[in-house]
Amino acid sequence: DTGVSQNPRHKITKRGQNVTFRCDPISEHNRLYWYRQTLGQGPEFLTYFQNEAQLEKSRLLSDRFSAERPKGSFSTLEIQRTEQGDSAMYLCASSFSGTVQETQYFGPGTRLLVL
Amino acid sequence: QQPVQSPQAVILREGEDAVINCSSSKALYSVHWYRQKHGEAPVFLMILLKGGEQKGHEKISASFNEKKQQSSLYLTASQLSYSGTYFCGTGHSSNTGKLIFGQGTTLQVKP
Repeated sequence: DTGVSQNPRHKITKRGQNVTFRCDPISEHNRLYWYRQTLGQGPEFLTYFQNEAQLEKSRLLSDRFSAERPKGSFSTLEIQRTEQGDSAMYLCASSFSGTVQETQYFGPGTRLLVL
Repeated sequence: QQPVQSPQAVILREGEDAVINCSSSKALYSVHWYRQKHGEAPVFLMILLKGGEQKGHEKISASFNEKKQQSSLYLTASQLSYSGTYFCGTGHSSNTGKLIFGQGTTLQVKP
């Protein structure tokens, strides 16, 4: 069990560019979550997958954001036409839904800075 | 709908106790507690499900009051390693794994 991994760990981009982040969950976990965290705040839910199906998406999420989990394993989060307000830590978490006490384990995050 | 945590910040000396509260305006199904150190990912501490249970993990325990829609995290005989920001994440249905996190409580333990 190597834990949740995320790449890249840091990304600096210019406003208007597209960026893509990758998340590799814990191998036996069927659920994968994306959160965004800004300084001094708790993680904010963006979306989550069960296997390859995207089950829920935040209503606050702009249509510039899209996520995929094509084979039910790793996931990608893409932000198109980045804005300075997108600067944040993007956290991925995974869990196994087959237990009553479903626990989400977080990855180290990808820190995005939009200039 | 974001749960409210209190206090926002607390400073302790080693060996002192602390309580962190998490209140929701929406009916709770579960409460998840995490600790995050600066620049690191949140680390899972414990999960409580509705039923008013209390759980313990070494010197850290928590309670869940379903009627009051709140949970409390108890830190006993605090250690320097307890420093960090504590978040509660609330789940509101058994049908979704989505968590809504509070704004966090920053705990600083001094020697």
